[in-house]
Amino acid sequence: GAGVSQSPSNKVTEKGKDVELRCDPISGHTALYWYRQSLGQGLEFLIYFQGNSAPDKSGLPSDRFSAERTGGSVSTLTIQRTQQEDSAVYLCASSSRGDTQYFGPGTRLTVL
Amino acid sequence: GQQLNQSPQSMFIQEGEDVSMNCTSSSIFNTWLWYKQDPGEGPVLLIALYKAGELTSNGRLTAQFGITRKDSFLNISASIPSDVGIYFCAGQLFRAAGNKLTFGGGTRVLVKP
Repeated sequence: GAGVSQSPSNKVTEKGKDVELRCDPISGHTALYWYRQSLGQGLEFLIYFQGNSAPDKSGLPSDRFSAERTGGSVSTLTIQRTQQEDSAVYLCASSSRGDTQYFGPGTRLTVL
Repeated sequence: GQQLNQSPQSMFIQEGEDVSMNCTSSSIFNTWLWYKQDPGEGPVLLIALYKAGELTSNGRLTAQFGITRKDSFLNISASIPSDVGIYFCAGQLFRAAGNKLTFGGGTRVLVKP
């Protein structure tokens, strides 16, 4: 597709379970970002990948959060031992060499 | 995480009215961006500003990059029903700090009943 896609669109999980969220960036975009949007809030930066460089993980809220980007394309955000405060919309964005970031529709995560 | 101060948090508009919202920061940015988010979707870029003092228009939208580089405003002229949504400002240190965006808390634009 032409835009950033994310899956699943919605995820409901039980507290303590692990979840994986997927992002397919726009083809050819070298930069990929993950953001978190809590209810009624702005977006909060989580992690940034640029090409083959080491990712900028400075926004990850705890060591339960991790992300990887395979082959410079698809990225997976993993949250281990989910907590209720992890409930949010997780948004992925991609850009070409740091220019305009194009966002996907997000994954709405609900932790019961 | 750090957020920009965006105001107002919400506003009601009547068709044809002009609306205005702004964002302030304690930090300097070299790029200011304005996004709109509709329900169930990711933010979509409306306007990007790259130079202090810059005034840029996109149709009925006008935005300015404050001279101090710590603030920006967005005006919507002659509002229409499809202007309803959440507007976010974002600051960026372009070509630095990973180009990550720092977002305001959003301005929710609603239609007057």
